[in-house]
Amino acid sequence: AQSVAQPEDQVNVAEGNPLTVKCTYSVSGNPYLFWYVQYPNRGLQFLLKYITGDNLVKGSYGFEAEFNKSQTSFHLKKPSALVSDSALYFCAVRDVFSGNTPLVFGKGTRLSVIA
Amino acid sequence: GAVVSQHPSRVICKSGTSVKIECRSLDFQATTMFWYRQFPKQSLMLMATSNEGSKATYEQGVEKDKFLINHASLTLSTLTVTSAHPEDSSFYICSARVLSRGETDTQYFGPGTRLTVL
Repeated sequence: AQSVAQPEDQVNVAEGNPLTVKCTYSVSGNPYLFWYVQYPNRGLQFLLKYITGDNLVKGSYGFEAEFNKSQTSFHLKKPSALVSDSALYFCAVRDVFSGNTPLVFGKGTRLSVIA
Repeated sequence: GAVVSQHPSRVICKSGTSVKIECRSLDFQATTMFWYRQFPKQSLMLMATSNEGSKATYEQGVEKDKFLINHASLTLSTLTVTSAHPEDSSFYICSARVLSRGETDTQYFGPGTRLTVL
């Protein structure tokens, strides 16, 4: 079975400070990992993904995430937060060998960047 | 990234009526589309997986006769909420998995449809 845990419901950070949104996962095989962002009353926007290769993945809007196999984590980071980054962030996982199955999502973390 | 559209973006209907939501992949082909439902301040709940040319696979607890899914082509899937009731009011989001473009396995999401049943 696949699962994703986002331990924080809410993350608050001051504008200009670095931000981290945590994600840990569980799969039986190798993971495909994703981060999505959702603004109010909108669908999900793809930010970045890890499939294979370099553990540090860079994505849209200056975000990056680091795949850590030993800790089964894929935390989302940004060096300097903007007020416009305030949104709901979802981590998702799929087992590489799970066939044509959909992504499994975490419950989401609401990021609030304060000016 | 790939573009997925949904129509309508918002619909208000009376109890007992049926509502059809369209999901289109605009610039790519998607053999598989997914339908999610999202309650306020909650994560996405997968309703069904839709494969082009075959019957949809529904998640446990989702009534297939109430939520009719048709995936007629590689770029269009529809969700029909039949005999809608107020408890069906929710935010419905579709997602398409990219088949080609060198971006396999990424799911792209539509903007969502806000359904309100009076």
